[in-house]
This record gives sequence, structure tokens and C-alpha cells, in this order.
Amino acid sequence: EAQVTQNPRYLITVTGKKLTVTCSQNMNHEYMSWYRQDPGLGLRQIYYSMNVEVTDKGDVPEGYKVSRKEKRNFPLILESPSPNQTSLYFCASSLLRPAGVRSPLHFGNGTRLTVT
Amino acid sequence: KQEVTQIPAALSVPEGENLVLNCSFTDSAIYNLQWFRQDPGKGLTSLLLIQSSQREQTSGRLNASLDKSSGRSTLYIAASQPGDSATYLCAVKGVADGLTFGKGTHLIIQP
Repeated sequence: EAQVTQNPRYLITVTGKKLTVTCSQNMNHEYMSWYRQDPGLGLRQIYYSMNVEVTDKGDVPEGYKVSRKEKRNFPLILESPSPNQTSLYFCASSLLRPAGVRSPLHFGNGTRLTVT
Repeated sequence: KQEVTQIPAALSVPEGENLVLNCSFTDSAIYNLQWFRQDPGKGLTSLLLIQSSQREQTSGRLNASLDKSSGRSTLYIAASQPGDSATYLCAVKGVADGLTFGKGTHLIIQP
């Protein structure tokens, strides 16, 4: 089954304790991205990647790191989490095609992170 | 910078009604526009994707239209059912930047 898999689904941690949220897709997608979703603010892009070893900042990259060593995996790293990073996080992926060609975005089920 | 606005923010209608959700965007230089559905505590499910060269897409009871020049899209839901209750988000893929989401319309279909 084609899917984007995030782990863990729920995570409670303390300020300053490094954590990684994993994301894996089995659709051979070039494009992968991380979003956070907060009440009243909607979905905001954190980082994205067009292909292996290519990553770029989104709208809210501060406090986050990513890596893309393999095509299927795109982990999100919080080196020193803070309470303002408490949020619902989504990973997404799609094919990267020239403009005008269908490339819908597929989402994982989300990771709810609480930083105390 | 692209901005995407969805109106209304919330909508409650009786079962069986036809309804329209609106999405507007400020920069018409887009590759495509995508409508998603999000159920509480769940991820986003893609409903329809309209390329910039297209005017509309249909899937079952859903029809999405795109007027790129005016920066508008609508999602039409025919014969609404309680199972349609969810938050609906539109997202625009820009030429110069990535995907920008609206804040969504929270839809409740009353049985």
C-alpha cells in the first residue's frame, strides 16, 4: 500500500531533550516536506526536499533540522525542543514533475508533539 | 508572498443540502491547487487537484473549479451526508515558492 509513515504518533518530551520524528514513503517520491499545524495558524511549512541531499527552508524553519540521505526517508530533528514547538506535525511527499503534470501531495497521519 | 484565504471558517448545514466552500489566493502564478479533507486527529487526504491550465475537476459528489485570473477556487459538495463532516483545506502550489495552505473550513453536516 502506497503511504507516508510517520513515527511516533504521539510524543511528550521535556525542554532541551533532542528528539527525531521519522518519515518514510514507499512511492519513490522525489519531493518531501514537513509541516506544523497550529490552531488559528493553519499548516505552515518547516522544511522541504526536492531530492536526496537537497533540502530547503520553508516558512518556519527555526529550531528544526532535516536530512535527506535516502530518497524514502526525511527525518525531522529538534536539537533542543522548546514549549513553542508543541504542535501537530505532518510529513508529506509527492512526485516532482514539470509544471502542468499531476503531482498530488500525500500526507502522513501526523505526530502530536508536546514539549513541557 | 502567497496568501490563501478560505471562507467560511465554519459551516453547519442539514444533511442533503448542496454546498460551496470558497478559497481565494493572492498570486495567480500557480502550478496547481489542491483540496484536502482532514478528519479530527488525522492527516490530510487529497480530494481533488486542479492544474493551472484546468477549469475544474470532479470526483463523485465533489466538484472543484479554478479561476486562476481572479485567484479563486470553489469546492462544491452535492447532496451532503454526515460523513462529509470534516475540515476542508485548499492549498496552492506556487511557481516561485512551495505549497501554501488556507486555514480551512470546518464543515458539520447535521443528520
